[in-house]
Amino acid sequence: QSVLTQPPSASGTPGQRVTISCSGSSSNLGSNTVNWYQQLPGTAPKLLIYDNNQRPSGVPDRFSGSKSGTSASLAISGLHSEDEANYYCAVWDDSLNGRWVFGGGTKLTVL
Amino acid sequence: QVQLQQSGPGLVKPSQTLSLTCAISGDSVSSKNAAWNWIRQSPSRGLEWLGRTYYRSRWNNGYAVSMKSRITINPDTSKNQFSLHLNSVTPEDTAVYYCVRSQGYLDYWGQGIPVTVSS
Repeated sequence: QSVLTQPPSASGTPGQRVTISCSGSSSNLGSNTVNWYQQLPGTAPKLLIYDNNQRPSGVPDRFSGSKSGTSASLAISGLHSEDEANYYCAVWDDSLNGRWVFGGGTKLTVL
Repeated sequence: QVQLQQSGPGLVKPSQTLSLTCAISGDSVSSKNAAWNWIRQSPSRGLEWLGRTYYRSRWNNGYAVSMKSRITINPDTSKNQFSLHLNSVTPEDTAVYYCVRSQGYLDYWGQGIPVTVSS
């Protein structure tokens, strides 16, 4: 079981807005900033959002992030077919001498 | 632009040592702002952080508690790379292994190497 909890699946039609949640605890989301990754089949995860709500250069502003307490969410507006992928949240956890922890991933299907 | 190029065998026998290398371009393994991580991914365990090495006036390592007795991560400043050694492997260690830079967040990832543990 993953330390962070994400829904296993999400879906939407082109143009819609979808959100993906990520739930943790005081030692991870409650203490540190969250990052989001997009993973296409057969490729490495790609950084999508860092420090809760910052986008790296090149990431469309259709992607946005937020965090409150021990929960976080990723929102994708104006859904495109190419957004179909797996999405993961990740955060530094202060327990067990410190470690990176991840969500189990959410498979987004664009209908 | 930072690039991480991984190398190593894709098949390891049970009880042997899994060894992978990550060559860095566009940054230095000795950077005082970065850490160099190993992460693996499998269908059964998802994404799992294994450990990291980083330089802050001296070399430091941090390992996942579940790995601590079997893992070593070493920097190689002469080649600007770092390595993973995981001993006494079992089929449970079958996964895609990634090397990843972190600077407050995990930003640059290697291409990933699928490793199978099988006789």
